[in-house]
Amino acid sequence: GQNIDQPTEMTATEGAIVQINCTYQTSGFNGLFWYQQHAGEAPTFLSYNVLDGLEEKGRFSSFLSRSKGYSYLLLKELQMKDSASYLCAAMDSNYQLIWGAGTKLIIKP
Amino acid sequence: GAVVSQHPSWVICKSGTSVKIECRSLDFQATTMFWYRQFPKQSLMLMATSNEGSKATYEQGVEKDKFLINHASLTLSTLTVTSAHPEDSSFYICSANWPGEVQPQHFGDGTRLSIL
Repeated sequence: GQNIDQPTEMTATEGAIVQINCTYQTSGFNGLFWYQQHAGEAPTFLSYNVLDGLEEKGRFSSFLSRSKGYSYLLLKELQMKDSASYLCAAMDSNYQLIWGAGTKLIIKP
Repeated sequence: GAVVSQHPSWVICKSGTSVKIECRSLDFQATTMFWYRQFPKQSLMLMATSNEGSKATYEQGVEKDKFLINHASLTLSTLTVTSAHPEDSSFYICSANWPGEVQPQHFGDGTRLSIL
């Protein structure tokens, strides 16, 4: 079956760096997405990886290893507003998104 | 700015009521829109794929007669929760892709539905 695994919750300190891991198993693969979702709000797109390697976008970076079925989202210089859930989603061969349950990130001062 | 508009953002109604949620693509035509449901602390669950001018494709376990989807125009899809019950209380979110793109999905702001 198709599956996405990511940690349920993580805690980090303001100004620090945090890495949120995601492993996936899908029927075919057309890319890996990361979304940010604040409580009570809809997800917002953060990044997309379809080739192996690191994609950097400001304070956020995303990494993909297709051979390992693994991705991570790296958040640098953490700010209090980064407290949110981070959703990992993989797109299968039918271009359907398979969603992880999300990682709740708690930022402490 | 927002590319997908969803309305209403919050609905509270009595059990047995039918509720309609609208999803509009702004400044682009969306032949396909997606409807999700999210329970507290859980993942997004795809309910159905809405196809303009044809029947929606429902995911396994989603009742077609319960969750009516109409995609009558290229910019509007509606989800009607018929005879809603407390267990239907959830966060409903729609999304759409830019034409010619399979990613990313742009989400509406979501509708929080509470059935008393």
